[in-house]
Amino acid sequence: GAVVSQHPSWVICKSGTSVKIECRSLDFQATTMFWYRQFPKQSLMLMATSNEGSKATYEQGVEKDKFLINHASLTLSTLTVTSAHPEDSSFYICSAYPTSGTGVNEQFFGPGTRLTVL
Amino acid sequence: AQSVTQPDIHITVSEGASLELRCNYSYGATPYLFWYVQSPGQGLQLLLKYFSGDTLVQGIKGFEAEFKRSQSSFNLRKPSVHWSDAAEYFCAVGLSGGYQKVTFGIGTKLQVIP
Repeated sequence: GAVVSQHPSWVICKSGTSVKIECRSLDFQATTMFWYRQFPKQSLMLMATSNEGSKATYEQGVEKDKFLINHASLTLSTLTVTSAHPEDSSFYICSAYPTSGTGVNEQFFGPGTRLTVL
Repeated sequence: AQSVTQPDIHITVSEGASLELRCNYSYGATPYLFWYVQSPGQGLQLLLKYFSGDTLVQGIKGFEAEFKRSQSSFNLRKPSVHWSDAAEYFCAVGLSGGYQKVTFGIGTKLQVIP
């Protein structure tokens, strides 16, 4: 089946630093990827839609200058949390839609990245 | 805009008992419906999905769900729960066709007691 990886799986950083999270589709190409944020005991909240070769589309209330998304290839999207603060601590999950094949219209999720900002 | 309601935040069942997790959606057209399971600290795993056709869909791990358009529901069922089924379950709805956004319900946490 389609596999999506995220790196790192967890990261601890100091307040004010930037953190980059990678999302890779390992065995398929993905024109579209999504970034979600999940607070403890809550559902996934969509942050942005990442489209290969174009600017990301951010959901209302998500600061695009704080959460930089780059989808430079059909298998890689990155989320950079800039000038991270403790309130940015969360579980970040990405998903990817296969560009073709039987998985079209179904998104495959990465295992998530736990970010803790001290 | 589409929305998903999971009325049960937390459910406890005994191992071996049957399970039904409720999900209601709001969407004007034919939705794409999904059930995902999330173990602690993990990503989401797709249990099953409904796009069209037979309204009773079979998924992995012995789960099934039935799409009832008249009730705007897509309830998840399992005839006999195993201790390993303890996890968080999310119902989700997407737009028909294409790479569209999916809206998740708040989730139902399942606890299984011996």
